Amino acid sequence: EAGVAQSPRYKIIEKRQSVAFWCNPISGHATLYWYQQILGQGPKLLIQFQNNGVVDDSQLPKDRFSAERLKGVDSTLKIQPAKLEDSAVYLCASSSARPLHFGNGTRLTVT
Amino acid sequence: TQLLEQSPQFLSIQEGENLTVYCNSSSVFSSLQWYRQEPGEGPVLLVTVVTGGEVKKLKRLTFQFGDARKDSSLHITAAQPGDTGLYLCAGGMKTSYDKVIFGPGTSLSVIP
Repeated sequence: EAGVAQSPRYKIIEKRQSVAFWCNPISGHATLYWYQQILGQGPKLLIQFQNNGVVDDSQLPKDRFSAERLKGVDSTLKIQPAKLEDSAVYLCASSSARPLHFGNGTRLTVT
Repeated sequence: TQLLEQSPQFLSIQEGENLTVYCNSSSVFSSLQWYRQEPGEGPVLLVTVVTGGEVKKLKRLTFQFGDARKDSSLHITAAQPGDTGLYLCAGGMKTSYDKVIFGPGTSLSVIP
């Protein structure tokens, strides 16, 4: 089966600019996760979708981050405006029950 | 607040040595997963344990889930350079949805 696809792989922006990441999960996986992984740390859940509904966004900085999952398939995560501390790898994962299947992430550098 | 702790944070050993990595929490988990992550890639599942006291073996890797389902360990026998990577434990919680939280990871370096 095809894995979780993410794009772009790398992105460099200046602070206060906006950026968007895209994720296409494994076909048939109802649950989609966005994690933020700062260098040297474990992934931190930002938002979790069940089909196209949000089930957990408790750690999403909603003043600057937004995410949507249209038609319960692919998803976009947006940051506007970006801050220096948003520099991290943004991982998308999907699952049908467990385990989680991860994409290779988007490495964001905010300068 | 559920929190997973891992120790040690960093580990550098010679090829052929044995090692153990620990994952601890004050919360009870319905399952616990171990992932390995290599640079530039996403985490990849190694094993899932669901029963208190459960032991699973994957070649040279031995995983154990604590009796109270609050802790787990990963033991590697005769480590090889290919074992180098970030080892993450992740706790699964049965709420109204499938919640998974990750520990901070143990960065392992195996020197040839």
